[in-house]
Amino acid sequence: NAGVTQTPKFRILKIGQSMTLQCTQDMNHNYMYWYRQDPGMGLKLIYYSVGAGITDKGEVPNGYNVSRSTTEDFPLRLELAAPSQTSVYFCASSYGDAWGVGYTFGSGTRLTVV
Amino acid sequence: QQQVKQSPQSLIVQKGGISIINCAYENTAFDYFPWYQQFPGKGPALLIAIRPDVSEKKEGRFTISFNKSAKQFSLHIMDSQPGDSATYFCAAIKNGKLTFGGGTRVLVKP
Repeated sequence: NAGVTQTPKFRILKIGQSMTLQCTQDMNHNYMYWYRQDPGMGLKLIYYSVGAGITDKGEVPNGYNVSRSTTEDFPLRLELAAPSQTSVYFCASSYGDAWGVGYTFGSGTRLTVV
Repeated sequence: QQQVKQSPQSLIVQKGGISIINCAYENTAFDYFPWYQQFPGKGPALLIAIRPDVSEKKEGRFTISFNKSAKQFSLHIMDSQPGDSATYFCAAIKNGKLTFGGGTRVLVKP
């Protein structure tokens, strides 16, 4: 099993450009999440989804958009990239259990906006 | 607003020593309190977790202590090894969503 796969691993964007971070999971998890991790900081929730066709905002959604057309895929779209979006982005999935033991994280996408 | 506060930001411990990381939370409605371990270039991975009605949980060299009345919990790493060098995050979960502490970078010197 691949688990949670994120692409690309690294990307440099110019200010104002747009891009989509891809995330796919093969564990048939209903819940999927996008987090960002700034240097020396914890992970902050950007968006999450509890199933195909259902998405909701997390703590830091501004500047991002998501869609969930299938159970497997949860892409994160950045429109008009800004330097403040320089970060490491992690996608995760889970069964939505109360204790978080089913959370699986991808290996991250390191994004730099210049 | 930061609902889970973690300290220290970093610590250095000698091989065989004890690493202690502390966390405090502000929301009393969390369901569970997991700890994650993250190695450079990797995503976080679940290390150990505790329910709020339990005061202590031990798995191997890792122990969580939980004080519900003080809204505090801590991770103890006994007999620390160089392979334990990583960043550790405490977290709290509610409705399937994780809220993370700021992380503690642990370096175990041989």
